[in-house]
Amino acid sequence: DQQVKQNSPSLSVQEGRISILNCDYTNSMFDYFLWYKKYPAEGPTFLISISSIKDKNEDGRFTVFLNKSAKHLSLHIVPSQPGDSAVYFCAVKKFPTLTGKLIFGQGTTLQVKP
Amino acid sequence: GAGVSQSPSNKVTEKGKDVELRCDPISGHTALYWYRQSLGQGLEFLIYFQGNSAPDKSGLPSDRFSAERTGGSVSTLTIQRTQQEDSAVYLCASSLLGDEQYFGPGTRLTVT
Repeated sequence: DQQVKQNSPSLSVQEGRISILNCDYTNSMFDYFLWYKKYPAEGPTFLISISSIKDKNEDGRFTVFLNKSAKHLSLHIVPSQPGDSAVYFCAVKKFPTLTGKLIFGQGTTLQVKP
Repeated sequence: GAGVSQSPSNKVTEKGKDVELRCDPISGHTALYWYRQSLGQGLEFLIYFQGNSAPDKSGLPSDRFSAERTGGSVSTLTIQRTQQEDSAVYLCASSLLGDEQYFGPGTRLTVT
């Protein structure tokens, strides 16, 4: 029973264009959402997050959008750069939480072509 | 400063053998997490430590899996009588409670 789904295993975009990565979740009790980026042979690194009281959070080229009614999260990267090529995981947790454990999606591999 | 480190980076073991995986968290981080990533899957939570206690072990898949943390620092994940389905990348993360989690590079475990 997958609580967090990233339905696109891969995405390919041209350098300079927008990359849009999507994530759906099932439990309306989740109220904190994160995106992590992972390069091969490295651990995931935190990218950006959003709490359920907001619908948008922006950090440089990265913007996360939250649609609570649709239980949908998306990450926009504009403009995309070849160095953005990595696996992107969305993750959720209930905040505040006693444990802080994260529930991850399966990941989307982004390839940005020069 | 130093990030989260894990050892070994790769481990190949025969089915039925026991393995120990080690995690050195960032100094001062009180929270420590173990996750695993099986092929084609997302990261799956295994266990959470706050200090040396483990208030959440809900993700451990069977009683062959155990973990401990000593001195509020180093943690060891032990898998007894390994099975082929245990093959995965085991990731450790640490954080100050409530803050973002910093991940180590992982240990790739292959059970033959």
